[in-house]
Amino acid sequence: AQSVTQPDIHITVSEGASLELRCNYSYGATPYLFWYVQSPGQGLQLLLKYFSGDTLVQGIKGFEAEFKRSQSSFNLRKPSVHWSDAAEYFCAVGRAPGITGGGNKLTFGTGTQLKVEL
Amino acid sequence: GAVVSQHPSWVICKSGTSVKIECRSLDFQATTMFWYRQFPKQSLMLMATSNEGSKATYEQGVEKDKFLINHASLTLSTLTVTSAHPEDSSFYICSARGKAGVRDEQFFGPGTRLTVL
Repeated sequence: AQSVTQPDIHITVSEGASLELRCNYSYGATPYLFWYVQSPGQGLQLLLKYFSGDTLVQGIKGFEAEFKRSQSSFNLRKPSVHWSDAAEYFCAVGRAPGITGGGNKLTFGTGTQLKVEL
Repeated sequence: GAVVSQHPSWVICKSGTSVKIECRSLDFQATTMFWYRQFPKQSLMLMATSNEGSKATYEQGVEKDKFLINHASLTLSTLTVTSAHPEDSSFYICSARGKAGVRDEQFFGPGTRLTVL
């Protein structure tokens, strides 16, 4: 069974400081990994995704994530956080694209609430 | 591109009534649509997966007679909460996925806030 662990429920950083949000996954096949951001009362916005290729992927809003197969991790980073980055961040895992069979369900982590201090 | 809309964005209803939520893929054909439920400050829990023209597949513990899902076309899926009760109050989010190799990832709608009085 697939699972995602986001060990940090809440993180507080100062504006301008660097950020790293942790994500560990368990998946029996080639994973398709995602990071989403959710502002209060809103749907999910895709920040970035990884399936293959360069293990350091760039996303929107200055975010990046690094896939480390040996650690089953896909941590999200940003060099300098802005106050507008305060939101809930979700890591998710699904079946790699192009793989046939059933639906490509996503499994989400429990989320990390980011607070930015001015 | 790859826009998914939901309607309504919020709804308040009386206990015992039924509520229908629409999910539309605006610029692509969605062969598969997913319905999620999110409780306050919690993660998204998949309720069901629907493929166009076939019956939805419900996750364990989700009452299929309570949450009716119809995926009648490649751009529209509906979730009907039947005989809603206060415990059904939640944030419902849909997502849509295109054909394998085309729009292969899930694109999420903005969500519908349901409050049952």
